[in-house]
Amino acid sequence: EPEVTQTPSHQVTQMGQEVILRCVPISNHLYFYWYRQILGQKVEFLVSFYNNEISEKSEIFDDQFSVERPDGSNFTLKIRSTKLEDSAMYFCASSESDGDRVEADTQYFGPGTRLTVL
Amino acid sequence: AQKITQTQPGMFVQEKEAVTLDCTYDTSDPSYGLFWYKQPSSGEMIFLIYQGSYDQQNATEGRYSLNFQKARKSANLVISASQLGDSAMYFCAMREGGDDKIIFGKGTRLHILP
Repeated sequence: EPEVTQTPSHQVTQMGQEVILRCVPISNHLYFYWYRQILGQKVEFLVSFYNNEISEKSEIFDDQFSVERPDGSNFTLKIRSTKLEDSAMYFCASSESDGDRVEADTQYFGPGTRLTVL
Repeated sequence: AQKITQTQPGMFVQEKEAVTLDCTYDTSDPSYGLFWYKQPSSGEMIFLIYQGSYDQQNATEGRYSLNFQKARKSANLVISASQLGDSAMYFCAMREGGDDKIIFGKGTRLHILP
C-alpha cells in the first residue's frame, strides 16, 4: 500500500539554525500539507501546497517557514531560524484532491519528524 | 469556539469489549467531512474512517464504525471487539467544504486492558 514517507525521523538542532524536513508524498497525490503537533497538544495545520504554490496557510506559518517541491517526488518544509517553540512533531500529508470534493479528499499522513530545538 | 470537541481525555476498556469514543463538531458549512485518526505511541497518524456530511449511511471500515448523528453534530467512533493493539490516542477531525486544512480535536487516549 502506498504511503507518505518522511526524513529524518528525529532532528535535533540548535536555536537559530536552519532545518529542512523532507517528505515524499504518495505518488499520484497532487495536494500536500504540513501539520505540527507540539508535545501533548493537538495537531495544527501549517500549510497546504498545490501546483507548485501555497494554497492555504495558517497564522503559525510565518516568514520563518517555507515549503518547496524541488523535484517530482519530494516536498520540503524549511524553518529558517529555529526557535525553542518550534520543537514539535511535524507531519507531512498528501491527498488526491482538495476540499472541493470532501468525499474523496482523505489526507494520508506520514510517520512524522520529531524536531527538537535546543 | 472549539470546532471539534472530544470530551474523554482518557478511557480504559477491557479487551474484546466494544468502545465508543465521543466527538462533537461545530460548523455552519453544509458540506464537510469528518475523520478519525489513530496515533499509537510510535507517533504516526493512521487514517481510520471518513464520513461525508451528505452520506446517508454511517461509515464502516472493518471493526471501526462511525455513529454519525447530523442533527446533534456528533460523530462518535465505535470500535468493536477491542484488541490490545487498539491502545493509542484517537483524534476526531473535520474538514469544511472548500478548506484545505483538517481541524483536529484534542484526542482521547484509549487503553485496552488484558
